[in-house]
Amino acid sequence: DAKTTQPTSMDCAEGRAANLPCNHSTISGNEYVYWYRQIHSQGPQYIIHGLKNNETNEMASLIITEDRKSSTLILPHATLRDTAVYYCIVTLSGNTGKLIFGQGTTLQVKP
Amino acid sequence: GAVVSQHPSRVICKSGTSVKIECRSLDFQATTMFWYRQFPKQSLMLMATSNEGSKATYEQGVEKDKFLINHASLTLSTLTVTSAHPEDSSFYICSARDGGGGLYNEQFFGPGTRLTVL
Repeated sequence: DAKTTQPTSMDCAEGRAANLPCNHSTISGNEYVYWYRQIHSQGPQYIIHGLKNNETNEMASLIITEDRKSSTLILPHATLRDTAVYYCIVTLSGNTGKLIFGQGTTLQVKP
Repeated sequence: GAVVSQHPSRVICKSGTSVKIECRSLDFQATTMFWYRQFPKQSLMLMATSNEGSKATYEQGVEKDKFLINHASLTLSTLTVTSAHPEDSSFYICSARDGGGGLYNEQFFGPGTRLTVL
């Protein structure tokens, strides 16, 4: 079973920041938080991951709370092409981790 | 970035036939590949983990005799759906993990194969 809880759907205005929350209250100390997204009828795309520090890359920022029980993915300037299902996944690192997908959040970016 | 391809992208077959789907890592060596299945409006479901040169590990409830997985090289894994039936119609997606010894679990996904069994 997925170890995360995400809202089913969210809307965001084009050009505004999209903030996608994720709860992972049972995360263990050696588990990472990964974010992937899936645009309709395509394979998932890696976005970002983190352990406990906030992370930023060219796609997004990941904010992890100090107790690591929740996190937020931030798309700073959402575009219509960011419309997708976003998955928050908690998993071990290295060769033992598997990606178990929950239902994710369907983000609809509107003009 | 790392690229994973799948072939074919779409396949339509008659009930009772077998279908082979290929997954290739194009610019990296993948010691581990994964196979997922996704039904319409549902999330991805992990079917099996495939390690190069060894038998695949199947998730609970996945029939290993029906879904044959072969990972014969560091760049190729195949999924064969044997004696396919309409209920096997689905979107099959593979992913590959870079075997370069990195710490992280980043997987690169293929574009998926749409299987329709008539």
